[in-house]
Amino acid sequence: AQSVSQHNHHVILSEAASLELGCNYSYGGTVNLFWYVQYPGQHLQLLLKYFSGDPLVKGIKGFEAEFIKSKFSFNLRKPSVQWSDTAEYFCAVKPRTDKLIFGTGTRLQVFP
Amino acid sequence: EAGVTQSPTHLIKTRGQQVTLRCSPISGHTSVYWYQQALGLGLQFLLWYDEGEERNRGNFPPRFSGRQFPNYSSELNVNALELEDSALYLCASSPGLAGANNEQFFGPGTRLTVL
Repeated sequence: AQSVSQHNHHVILSEAASLELGCNYSYGGTVNLFWYVQYPGQHLQLLLKYFSGDPLVKGIKGFEAEFIKSKFSFNLRKPSVQWSDTAEYFCAVKPRTDKLIFGTGTRLQVFP
Repeated sequence: EAGVTQSPTHLIKTRGQQVTLRCSPISGHTSVYWYQQALGLGLQFLLWYDEGEERNRGNFPPRFSGRQFPNYSSELNVNALELEDSALYLCASSPGLAGANNEQFFGPGTRLTVL
């Protein structure tokens, strides 16, 4: 069965620290990849997406993710986090003509 | 442009009751998706409608059902509510099957509490 694994359930960082959130998926075919973010009290919104082309994808608010096909991974990175990045982050995978499959999410807390 | 809207925002029901949740997609979007976000379980896919037809269904019992109307809005119905149905129910829309590379846009959700 298709699945998405997010290894870090809860991450606590100080401001200016670097961030990397892991995401691995299990599906052998072509997929579209997404990272969504849910800020406290707000609805889910798209952070970045990969469909094809350059495997290094830039998103909003300084986030980026790298698709490594051989590792079935799509890790999210940010060189220097801010307090306002405190949120829950969801990795999602979509086989081309199928439903979106989400990971269980990573809760990020950034302290000033 | 208005985003995805959902109603009601909050709902409290008791075990055994039935509930109907509503979703209006972004104008021009034909696909509507329903997800359940229960505490600690992430987002679980429930249903996908496009052009009025059910396209895919997640691993949920038949008491979870829905439909999509000609104006592309959608309802999610849950019968015989159980305590574990307490969750945030999210609706998302996308431009539909015409483009395979379609991202989904999410609504604010309906918080259902079953007592």
